[in-house]
Amino acid sequence: DTEVTQTPKHLVMGMTNKKSLKCEQHMGHRAMYWYKQKAKKPPELMFVYSYEKLSINESVPSRFSPECPNSSLLNLHLHALQPEDSALYLCASSPRAPTDTQYFGPGTRLTVL
Amino acid sequence: KQEVTQIPAALSVPEGENLVLNCSFTDSAIYNLQWFRQDPGKGLTSLLLIQSSQREQTSGRLNASLDKSSGRSTLYIAASQPGDSATYLCAVPARDDYKLSFGAGTTVTVRA
Repeated sequence: DTEVTQTPKHLVMGMTNKKSLKCEQHMGHRAMYWYKQKAKKPPELMFVYSYEKLSINESVPSRFSPECPNSSLLNLHLHALQPEDSALYLCASSPRAPTDTQYFGPGTRLTVL
Repeated sequence: KQEVTQIPAALSVPEGENLVLNCSFTDSAIYNLQWFRQDPGKGLTSLLLIQSSQREQTSGRLNASLDKSSGRSTLYIAASQPGDSATYLCAVPARDDYKLSFGAGTTVTVRA
């Protein structure tokens, strides 16, 4: 299984809502990532988890809260988002480190009203 | 700070023509370089990872070359097909924390 899955595919939320994005991989990878991608731009790294511990936080606003419950799962909790947070949110994983080949999920298209 | 540039930003070719996509980077002390493909509204698909010790890497119709000294990588796609239409991104891990620095991508259209 060489797949990273993400749910939901699409999410529309108001600025006062709380929602979560979910990412799952069963490749035994120990590094997992959240990226944000705006239209016609490359992905921007948000968080890196290495062996279930947060290793990189790219000064992301606290309205985004990552969680890694186990080595296969990665969540991104969303609260009080702004319209400018609307984007494609991509999850990725790699065997051990960012220098390994990264495998990306299909993304969650988030719209904040 | 590593800067990654991809030129051209867009490319349109007739079916069957070979594609040449360019990627340049400012810090030649790279660990490796990765090429990805992205279809509109979708995630990224890894195409090739070329290690700093390699000069080229091949997978099917794809061939990636790496010249560290000049800070360049080129992705060749032979005998292009309409299904090759996508945005192609290259990415290089940063020297200190290995975070990927992406180029802005080249959007390819292969006309049938």
